[in-house]
Amino acid sequence: QLQLQESGPGLVKPSESLSLTCTVTGDSIITTAYYWGWVRQSPGEGLEWLGTISSSGDTLYNPSLKSRLSISMDTSKNHFSLTLSSVTAADTALYYCARVHAPGVVRGGEFDPWGQGTLVTVSS
Amino acid sequence: DIQMTQSPSTLSASVGDRVTITCRASQNINIWLAWYQQKSGKAPKLLIYRASTLETGVPSRFSGTGSGTDFTLTISSLHPDDFATYYCQQYHSYYSFGQGTKLGIK
Repeated sequence: QLQLQESGPGLVKPSESLSLTCTVTGDSIITTAYYWGWVRQSPGEGLEWLGTISSSGDTLYNPSLKSRLSISMDTSKNHFSLTLSSVTAADTALYYCARVHAPGVVRGGEFDPWGQGTLVTVSS
Repeated sequence: DIQMTQSPSTLSASVGDRVTITCRASQNINIWLAWYQQKSGKAPKLLIYRASTLETGVPSRFSGTGSGTDFTLTISSLHPDDFATYYCQQYHSYYSFGQGTKLGIK
């Protein structure tokens, strides 16, 4: 059964970098049928797509965050990671990782399943 | 950027009611739309993809219609377990979500 688990510090200081890792069990992150993505949810707010990475390491970022965001993968550990630089209080959110169906004839772009999420607070 | 607008933002209904939530895209997204259900404190769960295809295991009281810019999610007869927040998401160009529709008990 596929499971995703986010990990990382729960508290980050303003202007520093936020780094999170999503460990995948039950499937390989190099399977070409899927991408892997990050979504965040500010307290009491909706969902914001951050970025995705393909099995070959190609990345796609939300244009509004592109200058501060980096997503990478470590196939030996079967995990992928997010780094967001120069954080402010506006980056305080619940960060989710998810598997994303790769573009295809029938499916492509749905986020399923999701990790349980990890809360990151930006504060001094 | 493709903006997704859901209506209503909040909705109150009773068990057994038929409920419809609307999602409008700022440009043509064909049928590349998904619907999710999120319960309090939980991660979103995929309900429907490709605008109208029910994900495996999702009850048949959920249905989706639409193409182009206008889409709907319908719950034919509300169950107690269905009170949650619902989001649409487009995947025609990058990815973006609607602001959500909170379905509460009347």
